[in-house]
Formats: sequence, C-alpha cells, structure tokens
Amino acid sequence: NAGVTQTPKFQVLKTGQSMTLQCAQDMNHNSMYWYRQDPGMGLRLIYYSASEGTTDKGEVPNGYNVSRLNKREFSLRLESAAPSQTSVYFCASTPDREQFFGPGTRLTVL
Amino acid sequence: RKEVEQDPGPFNVPEGATVAFNCTYSNSASQSFFWYRQDCRKEPKLLMSVYSSGNEDGRFTAQLNRASQYISLLIRDSKLSDSATYLCVVSYSSASKIIFGSGTRLSIRP
Repeated sequence: NAGVTQTPKFQVLKTGQSMTLQCAQDMNHNSMYWYRQDPGMGLRLIYYSASEGTTDKGEVPNGYNVSRLNKREFSLRLESAAPSQTSVYFCASTPDREQFFGPGTRLTVL
Repeated sequence: RKEVEQDPGPFNVPEGATVAFNCTYSNSASQSFFWYRQDCRKEPKLLMSVYSSGNEDGRFTAQLNRASQYISLLIRDSKLSDSATYLCVVSYSSASKIIFGSGTRLSIRP
C-alpha cells in the first residue's frame, strides 16, 4: 500500500497563476482532507470530503476549490495564486479518527 | 484565544531525561484526543490516542484531564530520535472538527 500520495512535491508559481494539487489514497477511506501548514499556525483545514461526492469548507477555504473525483482522489485547486498561499499543503484521509497524511506539497507563490 | 494551545518550546533536554508537554483545549464538547509526531519537513504521524483512563506505550504516557481540559504527554528515558515536533489534536463528532495545536518542538541533546 502506498498510503496517501501527493503530487507535486514542490511548486513555484507566479501571482495569478493557477494549479491543481493532486492527492490519492489506496486505503479505501471515506473521508479526505486538505490542510495548509504555516510556521506558528499549526495545520489549518481548507476543505474536507466526508464521502465520495461531498465536499465542505473548513477553516480557511477562500482562494481554493476542491474536487472529490472518486473515493481515492481529492484534488485542491488554486485558481489565481497569491503570495499569501505560500505554504506547505498536506492531504489526509481517515477511516474514523486517526488521520493518515501524505508527504506534502511545498508551494511558493512569488 | 486558540481552541487548542500548546507551548511552542523548544524544549532542549539531555538524552535520558524525562520531559512532559501539556496541551489545553477550550471546547468541553471535545470527544477524541491524540498526539501526533512531526519530523522536520515531513508529514505528521499518529503517536498515540489519549484515553480518559490514561494510556502508555513504551516510554510514552498520555493522560487526559477533562475537568481542567488538558492533555499531557510524558516521554521517559528520552532518545535522540525523539527530537521532533509534537502536535496535540482534538476532535469532535463532526468529520470537519479536527483541531491541531501549533506543536511543541523537542530537541534531545547527546
């Protein structure tokens, strides 16, 4: 089992560019999450999906959109990147309470 | 006030020492509690769940005090490999209500 995978690992964007962060899990988990982690802020929830076909906003959804393509995949899209979105992005999935995280995507917006 | 608060540290202790961290939470409706470990530039991984009766896993002991709304983590006979950031996590019944603390950084010196 690969667990939770994320692509890309690193990305540099210019302000205004768009991109999609990909996440996939092979553990047959229903719930999937997108977080961002900034120094001193801990992990903050951007969006989550409790099950295939449903998505809901978390604490910091502005500037992001998500797609739960199927049970395995949950993508995060930045339509018009801003420097404030420079962060490390983690995808996670859970069967119940314990969360399993992907390795993260380090995004820099210039 | 943050919903989950941790002392950011860093805690710098010698190998073999005992070290303890506390984490306070503000919402009494919290249902589940966890400690995660995060190594530098890596994803968080579950260290242990925290139960009302307290629980131990080798050198690690976690305790929950619902009356005072805090959880603790005790590490005995600390090893160099224990150097990491320890994240306190509190969750509620809803899939979206999983709150991460900012983390406590621990550094073990030889």
